[in-house]
Amino acid sequence: AQKVTQAQTEISVVEKEDVTLDCVYETRDTTYYLFWYKQPPSGELVFLIRRNSFDEQNEISGRYSWNFQKSTSSFNFTITASQVVDSAVYFCALRTTSGTYKYIFGTGTRLKVLA
Amino acid sequence: DSGVTQTPKHLITATGQRVTLRCSPRSGDLSVYWYQQSLDQGLQFLIQYYNGEERAKGNILERFSAQQFPDLHSELNLSSLELGDSALYFCASSVEGVRSPLHFGNGTRLTVT
Repeated sequence: AQKVTQAQTEISVVEKEDVTLDCVYETRDTTYYLFWYKQPPSGELVFLIRRNSFDEQNEISGRYSWNFQKSTSSFNFTITASQVVDSAVYFCALRTTSGTYKYIFGTGTRLKVLA
Repeated sequence: DSGVTQTPKHLITATGQRVTLRCSPRSGDLSVYWYQQSLDQGLQFLIQYYNGEERAKGNILERFSAQQFPDLHSELNLSSLELGDSALYFCASSVEGVRSPLHFGNGTRLTVT
């Protein structure tokens, strides 16, 4: 079975705190891709990052970083020095090479950054 | 801007009615996906089209149908609407290939009264 679990339903932090959003996935495929999307209060869904199953290098983009660990089937997302504009729902998604190439989304984590 | 256009942005209608949501994918994208997001819910996959053909079906009700036209735009038809159909409906497009991310439109917010 293929599954994405985002166990954190909602997280609240104070501005400038670091926060990590967890994503755990399940798949038997050896080739797959993982994605993160952001949904701000305005509602649109924005693609943030893609990572393939063969690339375990961590990615850093400004205040954002992603930690992919195959050993624990996790693809976690960290925001450093959070800002109010980071408040959004964040979705993790998995796509594999088997079946119909469906995207499997987690249930999302709502991040509230308080001023 | 993702390049995916969805119209209308908002739709308010009554129970029992039928509505059509429209989506124009990004230029060059052959795949179109439809998702439903109810209040405080995750993304529910409805259906996928690739170059005019239905490719995958998710939790789409029989009252709902979709199609993708030769110019690659897609329409999602919702009929016999119920209060529970009130949701944000997203269209997304992608190029072919497992590594391709989905690019989402801004969604159509449907309110059934």
